[in-house]
Amino acid sequence: NAGVTQTPKFRILKIGQSMTLQCAQDMNHNYMYWYRQDPGMGLKLIYYSVGAGITDKGEVPNGYNVSRSTTEDFPLRLELAAPSQTSVYFCATRQGYEQYFGPGTRLTVT
Amino acid sequence: ILNVEQSPQSLHVQEGDSTNFTCSFPSSNFYALHWYRWETAKSPEALFVMTLNGDEKKKGRISATLNTKEGYSYLYIKGSQPEDSATYLCAINAGGTSYGKLTFGQGTILTVHP
Repeated sequence: NAGVTQTPKFRILKIGQSMTLQCAQDMNHNYMYWYRQDPGMGLKLIYYSVGAGITDKGEVPNGYNVSRSTTEDFPLRLELAAPSQTSVYFCATRQGYEQYFGPGTRLTVT
Repeated sequence: ILNVEQSPQSLHVQEGDSTNFTCSFPSSNFYALHWYRWETAKSPEALFVMTLNGDEKKKGRISATLNTKEGYSYLYIKGSQPEDSATYLCAINAGGTSYGKLTFGQGTILTVHP
């Protein structure tokens, strides 16, 4: 079991560029989440999904989009990167009370 | 939106000291409380999940207590070691239609000096 995997690990984007952060899981969990972590701010929920085909906004969705066409994959898309999106992004799944986090993607927008 | 507060924001202790930090949350609408240990460049590592008032959990030198009536949890580290240096995150799951969404506090950064 690979658990939750994220790619890439690091990325530098120029302002206005777009990219997709990949998240995949092999645990067959229905619930998946995207968080961003900013210094001194804890983790903030961007989007979440309760199953394939169902997604909803979290606390800080602006500037992002998601899709969930399969149980395994939950990609996060940035359409027009802005410096405010410089952050560490974590994908997570849930089963019962437990949430399982991926290793994170460190994104810098300059 | 839930408001989860952690204190202190950062803490410096000497090796061997015992330490504790606090997580405060609204006592209404509570379902579960999570403690995570997060080291830079790694993913958050789950320490405890607590659901019942009066819960106490222990893992090695780390323990936690939960008071859902007054809305707080304490995390204790006994005999701190340099490898305990990390950010400790508290998160609340409000249950109901929250679909397992976690609301995190801002974290307590612990530095243990040898």
